[in-house]
Amino acid sequence: QKEVEQNSGPLSVPEGAIASLNCTYSDRGSQSFFWYRQYSGKSPELIMFIYSNGDKEDGRFTAQLNKASQYVSLLIRDSQPSDSATYLCAVNSYKLVFGAGTILRVKS
Amino acid sequence: ETGVTQTPRHLVMGMTNKKSLKCEQHLGHNAMYWYKQSAKKPLELMFVYNFKEQTENNSVPSRFSPECPNSSHLFLHLHTLQPEDSALYLCASSQGAGAGDIVSYNEQFFGPGTRLTVL
Repeated sequence: QKEVEQNSGPLSVPEGAIASLNCTYSDRGSQSFFWYRQYSGKSPELIMFIYSNGDKEDGRFTAQLNKASQYVSLLIRDSQPSDSATYLCAVNSYKLVFGAGTILRVKS
Repeated sequence: ETGVTQTPRHLVMGMTNKKSLKCEQHLGHNAMYWYKQSAKKPLELMFVYNFKEQTENNSVPSRFSPECPNSSHLFLHLHTLQPEDSALYLCASSQGAGAGDIVSYNEQFFGPGTRLTVL
């Protein structure tokens, strides 16, 4: 079983829609969770982190964490073509473990 | 310079060459990391340094040799690499952790990466 699993996509959404990106993890001891955005040919850029169960909102982004279900998600409201990228979920217990990423395509 | 910088941005080397990658962070952090990113694979953590001390070596082959002379600089020395070592090598930094704390709890900031090609 992979430590951090993400659907590779691509996830295609129309401009203005809500994009929902999901991530599951295997280590119940994981304490912190991160979402990174990576444009093609660029390095990952941190966009959200969450430590506690529930929702955390930052602008158009909402991170959701459910430790009981070992599930973390990222919602992007009012999706824009500039949001098209690979989104990496990273989970922290003893070390930071990345998922393989979900490709998001926002179509105008 | 701001953030995390890496040089060179691109490197082509033969299997018998010796080269070094350099990373510098301007964020006042005390932890630094090397990652390898191969096509369509998750980021792989290679090495972790916390306050200049190596705290993690993820079973990386000895042809990769890290060096951390101070909290702002990190090097990756390369020798006798293989073609399968071709990848994007990313440096990251974060706040350091005290003794007994887990350094990687803190959010990490990445440099632009070095695209390495081994012929």
